[in-house]
This record gives sequence, structure tokens and C-alpha cells, in this order.
Amino acid sequence: QKEVEQNSGPLSVPEGAIASLNCTYSDRVSQSFFWYRQYSGKSPELIMSIYSNGDKEDGRFTAQLNKASQYVSLLIRDSQPSDSATYLCAGGDSGTYKYIFGTGTRLKVLA
Amino acid sequence: DGGITQSPKYLFRKEGQNVTLSCEQNLNHDAMYWYRQDPGQGLRLIYYSQIVNDFQKGDIAEGYSVSREKKESFPLTVTSAQKNPTAFYLCASGDLQNEKLFFGSGTQLSVL
Repeated sequence: QKEVEQNSGPLSVPEGAIASLNCTYSDRVSQSFFWYRQYSGKSPELIMSIYSNGDKEDGRFTAQLNKASQYVSLLIRDSQPSDSATYLCAGGDSGTYKYIFGTGTRLKVLA
Repeated sequence: DGGITQSPKYLFRKEGQNVTLSCEQNLNHDAMYWYRQDPGQGLRLIYYSQIVNDFQKGDIAEGYSVSREKKESFPLTVTSAQKNPTAFYLCASGDLQNEKLFFGSGTQLSVL
């Protein structure tokens, strides 16, 4: 099992819909999780961080963490074509200051 | 204007040549990182440093070297021993208190 696993997609949603991106992680990964958005040819941009069980909302974005199931998700409400990008899930490597990244899910929001 | 500056944006390497990628940050972060990204792939850790004059190998350190003589700077040298260097190289710095990681704009390295 990969330490941080994501479906590569592409995930296609119509404009205005909710996009749901999922990530699972192994025991090696600590309890800090991050979602990054990466446009083609650009560097990743941090959009959400979550450290405890439950939901965290920031504007149109909601991150959800379920430690028992080792599952973290990102919901994007009212999806816009400008949200089309690759979304990277990352977790802290337990006991170190390293970060482990998933391979990313490509999201396409259709106008 | 705070941030992480990587240079150059594009770099070309001839066979047998060493090249150095620059990374400077003015965010006062203790930790700095180098990642490599291949097309359609995730980020793979090359080296990281939590403090000046100390650094650790990541998952793919072979063929690379780093130094951390100043808190603000963490240059990466791609040596001739790295046989497949073509990739997008990302430098990042992190606040060890809140564990957030921020990236520079990246350097695209290609082989001539």
C-alpha cells in the first residue's frame, strides 16, 4: 500500500456541482494533512490543512478527516472552470519533518 | 514581499555537467526541502534540512547534493551521476510549528 493514495482521475464535474476528492493513508503518516492545488506547469499551492477528526471549512472548500478509516477528503462546492487542476493530498511522516505526497487527482470542471 | 524564490525558471544541462538550482526564502522558516516531479507523477523528496548546517537524504538523493550554510538558502546541485535529471524541481520551506509547507515557483531542468 502506498503511504498516501489518490485516484489519478480525471474527475469531471459540471460547473456549479460539488467536486469530491479522496485520499487514503497508511500508518506511517501522522495526523497532519494538507491539500494542494497545482495548475499545469505551476507549483503546488496550499489550500487546506486539517489536523483533527471532523470537518474544516474555508470558503467553498471543506476538508474532512476520519482517522479511524485513515481517510481524508476535499469537497469543492459550486465548482468553477478555474478549479480545474490537479489536487495533491499530503501527510506528515510520523516522527520526522518530512511530508508524503499522493500522486494527485486531476479535476476537470466543465462549463 | 515574503516568499520562496527559485532560479532559474528553466535550465539545460549538458551530459557530464553539474548544475546548481537556487532556492532562497525570506519567510524565516527553519525547514527547507527539495522535491522532484516527473510528468503525471507526484512529488518525490530529494533532500531536506531542518536547521542550518544539517540536512538529510530523502527518498531519491542519489546523484544530488545540497548545502545549508544560511537559514535562507538551500541550493541543490544535480551532479553528472544523476543519469535522468529531466524533471520539474520544487523547493519548499516549512514552519515547523504549524507544519505548513510552501513552495517556490519551480525550475524545469532538461538535458541537451
